[in-house]
Amino acid sequence: EDKVVQSPLSLVVHEGDTVTLNCSYEVTNFRSLLWYKQEKKAPTFLFMLTSSGIEKKSGRLSSILDKKELFSILNITATQTGDSAVYLCAACLPGTYKYIFGTGTRLKVLA
Amino acid sequence: DTEVTQTPKHLVMGMTNKKSLKCEQHMGHRAMYWYKQKAKKPPELMFVYSYEKLSINESVPSRFSPECPNSSLLNLHLHALQPEDSALYLCASSQPQGLPTDTQYFGPGTRLTVL
Repeated sequence: EDKVVQSPLSLVVHEGDTVTLNCSYEVTNFRSLLWYKQEKKAPTFLFMLTSSGIEKKSGRLSSILDKKELFSILNITATQTGDSAVYLCAACLPGTYKYIFGTGTRLKVLA
Repeated sequence: DTEVTQTPKHLVMGMTNKKSLKCEQHMGHRAMYWYKQKAKKPPELMFVYSYEKLSINESVPSRFSPECPNSSLLNLHLHALQPEDSALYLCASSQPQGLPTDTQYFGPGTRLTVL
């Protein structure tokens, strides 16, 4: 059965800390992995990763995919209280329109 | 513009009511999705439309009835719901599979409460 597992489930840090969120996947016929940030409502898109070893960056956020070891990490440097959210990763299964979501990591950044 | 809009934002309905949720996107995406999300859980796929045709129905009860009137609009008709159907209902859209980008964009959701 296809599955995506995220760790840790929750995390509390202080402003300025650096955090690393993990996403491992076991899916047949994997094509891409997506990261989302979800605050009160809809997930907002962060990154799509398709190639191993190529880091994607957006400001203080960065992410990388390892297709050999079947995982991805999301790094957030110099965290701010506005980074408090649930971070979801999802594996896209080609040809199926299905996205397998992990259970998310709940990040809380304290001032 | 990467916006998916949903109406209403909140909906409270009784178990005998009939209501509809609406979703719209103008990104030219030809795949549209309905997800249900309970508190502290990831989104759970309900339906997928591809080129206005229903591609996936994840064994959703018939009290939920999707409709895709055109390539920009997606509706979810609700009838005789149960209190356990209370959740955040998310609409999303993406390019059809087979194109280079798999990015799926979500609308803000409709928070549904069934009394």
